[in-house]
Amino acid sequence: AQSVTQLGSHVSVSEGALVLLRCNYSSSVPPYLFWYVQYPNQGLQLLLKYTTGATLVKGINGFEAEFKKSETSFHLTKPSAHMSDAAEYFCAVSPYNQGGKLIFGQGTELSVKP
Amino acid sequence: NAGVTQTPKFQVLKTGQSMTLQCAQDMNHNSMYWYRQDPGMGLRLIYYSASEGTTDKGEVPNGYNVSRLNKREFSLRLESAAPSQTSVYFCASSAEGAAPYEQYFGPGTRLTVT
Repeated sequence: AQSVTQLGSHVSVSEGALVLLRCNYSSSVPPYLFWYVQYPNQGLQLLLKYTTGATLVKGINGFEAEFKKSETSFHLTKPSAHMSDAAEYFCAVSPYNQGGKLIFGQGTELSVKP
Repeated sequence: NAGVTQTPKFQVLKTGQSMTLQCAQDMNHNSMYWYRQDPGMGLRLIYYSASEGTTDKGEVPNGYNVSRLNKREFSLRLESAAPSQTSVYFCASSAEGAAPYEQYFGPGTRLTVT
């Protein structure tokens, strides 16, 4: 069965520092890949997605992610953290030809220190 | 355009009681989903409906039933609530056939079973 692993349940960075949230998936066939963000007491909001084509994907709020097939990874980055980035981030995969179902990672809570 | 709406926002049940969580979307999406979110476990799929009149089990269906009332509405029923069903429940929808199946989430229902 497919799985998604997010390394680190909690990441803390200083304001202005690089944000790096790690995501690895298990699949021999590259799935569709997503990053979602959840602000406190809210639903999930799509940050970015990878389908095919360019492996560097840009999303909202200055985030981007790079699909690396050889490493089965889809890490999320942002060059300079802002206080408003504090939230929980979820990596998800949609296996090819499985009707759109999403498999989520465990989530990573990002804290941003002033 | 409200997107995905869920009612109620909060609910407290006693063990053995029943209730129905309501979900509606106004985006004309064919596919709808119910997830539960528990700390450290990400979101897990309970049931989904690929189109009106069809439903299928997800990863954690035990103790739940669903009804796809029409294209807009997808309800989740707990027949006899148990403390293990204390969780935050999210409904989501997506457009069928338009890969990569981006899902849109509701704000969630926070359920406590005592």
